[in-house]
Amino acid sequence: DAGVIQSPRHEVTEMGQEVTLRCKPISGHDYLFWYRQTMMRGLELLIYFNNNVPIDDSGMPEDRFSAKMPNASFSTLKIQPSEPRDSAVYFCASRLAGNEQFFGPGTRLTVL
Amino acid sequence: GDSVTQMEGPVTLSEEAFLTINCTYTATGYPSLFWYVQYPGEGLQLLLKATKADDKGSNKGFEATYRKETTSFHLEKGSVQVSDSAVYFCALLRGTSYGKLTFGQGTILTVHP
Repeated sequence: DAGVIQSPRHEVTEMGQEVTLRCKPISGHDYLFWYRQTMMRGLELLIYFNNNVPIDDSGMPEDRFSAKMPNASFSTLKIQPSEPRDSAVYFCASRLAGNEQFFGPGTRLTVL
Repeated sequence: GDSVTQMEGPVTLSEEAFLTINCTYTATGYPSLFWYVQYPGEGLQLLLKATKADDKGSNKGFEATYRKETTSFHLEKGSVQVSDSAVYFCALLRGTSYGKLTFGQGTILTVHP
C-alpha cells in the first residue's frame, strides 16, 4: 500500500498567488482530513470529509481557503490569494471508520 | 467539548533514561485513546492505542494505560534512545462512528547520547 500521497512536497510562492495542494487517500478509506501545522499554533484540523462530503469545515481560517473532494481518491486544498501567514506544513490524512488514521508526508508551503 | 492536555515540553533526556509524558483528557462517553509520534520532516504515525478502560497499549518499548478514573493516558518508556527524539501527540476519538480525532498540543522529546 502506497499510503496517503500528497503533492507537491514543497511549494514556494509569492503573496497573492493561488496555491493548490493535492491529496490521494488510501484506497477504501471513507474519511479524509486536512490539517495545518505551525510552530505557533501547533496541529490544527482545517476540514474533514466523510464519503466525499464535507462534514466539518469550522477550522478553515477564512474564505481564502477552500477544499474539495470530487471523488473517493482525490482531494484538493486551495488558498486564493495566498498570504505569508499561510506558510505552514499541510497534512492530509485518511481513515476507515473505526480504524487507524494515516497521515501523508505533508506539503511544506512557503509564501513570500 | 472534547479536549486533550499534554504536559508542557520540551522534554530533554539522556539516552537510557526513563520517559513519562503526561496526558489527560475530557470527553463524554468512552473514547478511544491514542499516542501518535512525528519524526522530523515526517507526518504523524500511530504509536499505540487503547480502546477501553484499563487497556494497555504498547509498541516499540512504549506503553500507556487507559485510566478512566483519572482520565489519563500517560506515555512511558523505560529506556529511551536517541532515535526516539520526536514530537509525541496524545489524541482521543469519541467513538468509532465519530469523525475527528482530538489532539493534544504535542510534546517535543530530545534524547542526547
